[in-house]
Amino acid sequence: AQSVTQPDIHITVSEGASLELRCNYSYGATPYLFWYVQSPGQGLQLLLKYFSGDTLVQGIKGFEAEFKRSQSSFNLRKPSVHWSDAAEYFCAVASNQAGTALIFGKGTTLSVSS
Amino acid sequence: DGGITQSPKYLFRKEGQNVTLSCEQNLNHDAMYWYRQDPGQGLRLIYYSQIVNDFQKGDIAEGYSVSREKKESFPLTVTSAQKNPTAFYLCASSMLAGITDTQYFGPGTRLTVL
Repeated sequence: AQSVTQPDIHITVSEGASLELRCNYSYGATPYLFWYVQSPGQGLQLLLKYFSGDTLVQGIKGFEAEFKRSQSSFNLRKPSVHWSDAAEYFCAVASNQAGTALIFGKGTTLSVSS
Repeated sequence: DGGITQSPKYLFRKEGQNVTLSCEQNLNHDAMYWYRQDPGQGLRLIYYSQIVNDFQKGDIAEGYSVSREKKESFPLTVTSAQKNPTAFYLCASSMLAGITDTQYFGPGTRLTVL
């Protein structure tokens, strides 16, 4: 069965420091991968997505993610974190069974310290 | 502006009552979804609909019901059979039902059972 694992529940990063959020997936074929961000009490906003092609994907707000098939990973990165990046981040893979529903990881909460 | 609206933002229910959460989209999307979010659990699929007058159960459909009589509307009813309904509910839509179609999310409804 498809699954997504986000190993880090909570990460704290200093403002201006670099960020990497980990995501591992389990999927037999080529996965369709997404990163979403959620501010407290809000809906989810798409940061970026990977379907095929270049394994380094650029997204909004200065985020990027790299797809590594050999490691079954799709880690999210940002070179310099801003205080406004504090939020919860979700990695997801598109299901090939439940229509086009997404299978989400449990999320990583990012705190930014000054 | 195009988007997804959910109402109400906050909803309180007494035990034994049915409540209906509204989800409307003006994006002309064919597919719509309902997810439930609990702290530390990520998002889990309740129901999805790929076209009007058709819908399918997701992973946690017990105690919930939906209808899709109009393309733009996908209301979710939380019935008294749902044992633990207190959660954050998110509605999403995508243009088509293809596996690569990006899902866009509404702002969510927080349901609390008193």
